[in-house]
Amino acid sequence: AQSVSQHNHHVILSEAASLELGCNYSYGGTVNLFWYVQYPGQHLQLLLKYFSGDPLVKGIKGFEAEFIKSKFSFNLRKPSVQWSDTAEYFCAVSGGSSASKIIFGSGTRLSIRP
Amino acid sequence: NAGVTQTPKFQVLKTGQSMTLQCAQDMNHEYMSWYRQDPGMGLRLIHYSVGAGITDQGEVPNGYNVSRSTTEDFPLRLLSAAPSQTSVYFCASRIGDTRQETQYFGPGTRLLVL
Repeated sequence: AQSVSQHNHHVILSEAASLELGCNYSYGGTVNLFWYVQYPGQHLQLLLKYFSGDPLVKGIKGFEAEFIKSKFSFNLRKPSVQWSDTAEYFCAVSGGSSASKIIFGSGTRLSIRP
Repeated sequence: NAGVTQTPKFQVLKTGQSMTLQCAQDMNHEYMSWYRQDPGMGLRLIHYSVGAGITDQGEVPNGYNVSRSTTEDFPLRLLSAAPSQTSVYFCASRIGDTRQETQYFGPGTRLLVL
């Protein structure tokens, strides 16, 4: 069964700092990978997704993520964060050709100091 | 389209009471899922459905029942509520077993079991 680990529980950055949030997954076959964001008081929204092809995926709001198969990782990056990026970020994985289940990590809370 | 809707938004139950959380989508999506969100644990999959009449267990199915009599609706039933079921519940849907598709989330139901 697939699983997802997000080791950073709470990250605090100043505006304009660079961001990298870690995500490691466990699954032996073909995977589909996602990053979702939940802004305060709102429901989850998709930031970006990887299914195949270029391992560097670009999403909305300047976010990107790199799939590194050998490391079972899908880290989220942003070169310069803004106060409005304050939110909780979730990595998720679905596996195999059926991909019927999407499993989420425990989330990383990002706080940006103005 | 209204997207994914959930009712109620808030609910307080006493231990042992039963209730049904409603979820509906008007996008003709085949796949629907229920998650619970707890602090520090991210989103955990409770049950999911890949079409009308077909349901399966997720990561934490105990204490919950589901059914899928129509494509549009996917209710979640708590037969005998317990304080451990205090959580925020999210329903999600997506078109089907197509790896390009995005999962859409409802606004959530906040449940408190006393």
